[in-house]
Amino acid sequence: NAGVMQNPRHLVRRRGQEARLRCSPMKGHSHVYWYRQLPEEGLKFMVYLQKENIIDESGMPKERFSAEFPKEGPSILRIQQVVRGDSAAYFCASSPRDFADTQYFGPGTRLTVL
Amino acid sequence: LAKTTQPISMDSYEGQEVNITCSHNNIATNDYITWYQQFPSQGPRFIIQGYKTKVTNEVASLFIPADRKSSTLSLPRVSLSDTAVYYCLASMEYGNKLVFGAGTILRVKS
Repeated sequence: NAGVMQNPRHLVRRRGQEARLRCSPMKGHSHVYWYRQLPEEGLKFMVYLQKENIIDESGMPKERFSAEFPKEGPSILRIQQVVRGDSAAYFCASSPRDFADTQYFGPGTRLTVL
Repeated sequence: LAKTTQPISMDSYEGQEVNITCSHNNIATNDYITWYQQFPSQGPRFIIQGYKTKVTNEVASLFIPADRKSSTLSLPRVSLSDTAVYYCLASMEYGNKLVFGAGTILRVKS
């Protein structure tokens, strides 16, 4: 029973490029969450999605960031025109039911913006 | 505005019991508290979850007093491998809000 998968594990982008981070939830999980962790800091909630719906995106920056969780395929966190301040670890988690359910985290994607 | 507050760090010795408290204002009766453990360069790992009184599993206990203004993660007989960052998470049904604490660095010494 595979856990939450994230790819790539490491991503290097130059300023102005786009970053696409993928998250495959655990089998049977229909709720996905994205978190950002800046170096030496704690986890910050970004967005909560259920299949094809964004439930809560209150933690997402207003510009350049978007997320989707299509009916088929992984959830995608997309960062357009990356800047150095976007360098961080991005974690995805999934749960089988609603947001109060136990979340299982992936290994994270470490984004470095040059 | 919902917020969770944890101590920044704690030190302990092998074999001791460690209690980490998380303060959370404004959580409702059925809101859950979950604790996670994180090692460097890894994703957080689930430890325990509850919403009232006391929950115990094979690795930890979680105490939530009647006023629900705080919760305490209890780790019995810690070992060196328990050195990690511990996060509390409040899952608030009203507004579907997820609020992580800033994390507590636990250092276990021999």
